[in-house]
Amino acid sequence: GDSVTQMEGPVTLSEEAFLTINCTYTATGYPSLFWYVQYPGEGLQLLLKATKADDKGSNKGFEATYRKETTSFHLEKGSVQVSDSAVYFCALTLSSNTGKLIFGQGTTLQVKP
Amino acid sequence: NAGVTQTPKFQVLKTGQSMTLQCAQDMNHNSMYWYRQDPGMGLRLIYYSASEGTTDKGEVPNGYNVSRLNKREFSLRLESAAPSQTSVYFCASSEFGTGVLYNEQFFGPGTRLTVL
Repeated sequence: GDSVTQMEGPVTLSEEAFLTINCTYTATGYPSLFWYVQYPGEGLQLLLKATKADDKGSNKGFEATYRKETTSFHLEKGSVQVSDSAVYFCALTLSSNTGKLIFGQGTTLQVKP
Repeated sequence: NAGVTQTPKFQVLKTGQSMTLQCAQDMNHNSMYWYRQDPGMGLRLIYYSASEGTTDKGEVPNGYNVSRLNKREFSLRLESAAPSQTSVYFCASSEFGTGVLYNEQFFGPGTRLTVL
């Protein structure tokens, strides 16, 4: 079935370090891909998206490129801040499944000053 | 705009008790969703409603029922709570439907439920 796999966490970085969180997917069709972020005590909010192969989503310094050949959508940021500490979820949706999102297990990021 | 609101924020139940989690959205969205979040498992879909008047099971529907009361409101009911239902519950809504290219979901702040 359709699924999303994220790298295990937690990830601990120092401020201004480079961030990569890996995400790979399995899908029977052509999914749209998302990264959601969950700050402590809050609900999820959309961070960025890509709807077709080779699209690059970007927001708040984060980027991810939809790679169909490797079925990946890795999240990157060049210089993380303490305020980026959160849980990050990779997700996909297929137009054929009434809009349901399929989430990865989430990766916790902790950024230390 | 309040977005997606959920009540209550916290709840403690004893095994066998029942309760209803309430969710409302003011964005005129067609679709609404209930998820549960458990450590190391991401979010799993319990039930969803693609449009007013319709509901369908998601990945983990056992032990739950839902009601799409109107376009704004989508409630989740636990008829006889069990410790395995201890979790954080999130409601979400989206515009998903014909002509919508992708499904951005907007989430409520969550309800933290403990079943003893």
